[in-house]
Amino acid sequence: QSALTQPASVSGSPGQSITISCTGTNSDVGAYDYVSWYQQHPGKAPKLMIYDVSNRPSGVSNRFSGSKSGNTASLTISGLQSEDEADYYCCSCTTSNTVIFGGGTKLTVL
Amino acid sequence: EVQLVESGGGLVEPGGSLRLSCAGSGFTFSNAWMNWVRQAPGKGLEWVGRLKSKVVGGTTDYAAPVKGRFTISRDDSKNTLYLQMNSLKPEDTAVYFCTTVLSFWASGSWGQGTLVTVSS
Repeated sequence: QSALTQPASVSGSPGQSITISCTGTNSDVGAYDYVSWYQQHPGKAPKLMIYDVSNRPSGVSNRFSGSKSGNTASLTISGLQSEDEADYYCCSCTTSNTVIFGGGTKLTVL
Repeated sequence: EVQLVESGGGLVEPGGSLRLSCAGSGFTFSNAWMNWVRQAPGKGLEWVGRLKSKVVGGTTDYAAPVKGRFTISRDDSKNTLYLQMNSLKPEDTAVYFCTTVLSFWASGSWGQGTLVTVSS
């Protein structure tokens, strides 16, 4: 099964909003509302930012939001800050009872 | 505070075996579903497998590349998760993370990872 499709890179200026897309198929993103998003800074473990499409774990800033339409999920970061610069990965369960990740998106804060 | 500490990584030859451990604290380990996720050097994240809690059967699910070679197990008396890796291949070289599972599939809390290198 191929990885979910994410843009390789996105960028934005401080204070702006950016959106990262994550495209899958009817067998993963489109099948269930079990899309999650992770932030990873260089040399660090990933951190869960969004689960079940749009839920934020305790402690995650409300500047981070998630949504889904059909086979495409999206992560939006509003009020961009320098510390948001990181790699972001989307993830979905599949109809085969497995999990598939996206290839990752490098966010640069200009 | 949830803490997960992986150990057991190292250098192993192709075809060899290795067992990783993940010690959990700060939560009720026996009730937790757990994931293993790996990351090859300079690459993205890859899910390895999931182990449910024993109260719901303790069943496992695995990614296709590791199914039949890797086994996830747990010792709730020791608050420890294991990943037994057999018939290792160079493409298994990665940092291996253990995580708690949130809402059936999402990886909630993560350990710091342990590096496995498969090379002759």
